[in-house]
Amino acid sequence: DIVMTQTPLSLSVTPGQPASISCKSSQSLLHRDGKTYLYWYLQKPGQPPQLLIYEVSNRFSGVPDRFSGSGSGTDFTLKISRVEAEDVGVYYCKQSTQHPKTFGQGTKLEIK
Amino acid sequence: EVQLVESGGGLVQPGGSLRLSCAASGFTFSTSWMTWVRQAPGKGLEWVGNIKQDGSDKNYVDSVKGRFIISRDNAKNSLYLQMNSLRAEDTAVYYCARDFTYFDYWGQGTLVTVSS
Repeated sequence: DIVMTQTPLSLSVTPGQPASISCKSSQSLLHRDGKTYLYWYLQKPGQPPQLLIYEVSNRFSGVPDRFSGSGSGTDFTLKISRVEAEDVGVYYCKQSTQHPKTFGQGTKLEIK
Repeated sequence: EVQLVESGGGLVQPGGSLRLSCAASGFTFSTSWMTWVRQAPGKGLEWVGNIKQDGSDKNYVDSVKGRFIISRDNAKNSLYLQMNSLRAEDTAVYYCARDFTYFDYWGQGTLVTVSS
């Protein structure tokens, strides 16, 4: 199974400041079809997860442009350019390149 | 509006069985892969398994293989998770989601508690 490792596991950010979360996979997420099936989700308190980023760097519909994703192979990053209060929750990376689909442990974002 | 509504959760004894349902609306269910994801209390997300549009292909995480069965009824726009030989470690909120390799729509989840 592909293991997804996120760092840090928690971060506390002042509103208006940037934030960055790293996600490393134990194997390359580049599929033989040329796509990289790496996704980012945010689970706000008391809610199901919501999709933020698909295929490394594409923002899902309605996701603010302060969220961006990058990376390739085994190293990926989610960046929030200016954190807002509504961004609190737990962020998960997930791979769908290979079954079973696997999530990172989650990174809890809090506001200072 | 897309809606996914899970039901069927509850308290069950170890070794028991439970069947979860997920009612879908607002999209063409019959053309969508569907997936189950679970979340143990205070823990992260774990993908459980998925099912192809016509039910001909299913995939499971190793920890539930041979115990859980995913099925669907496209005529009823419904997804199911039959859980057998339940263990304490299966205690979790179970979510259904539409699966386009990414999970774009999620239900609110149903809680399954395995305890004597």
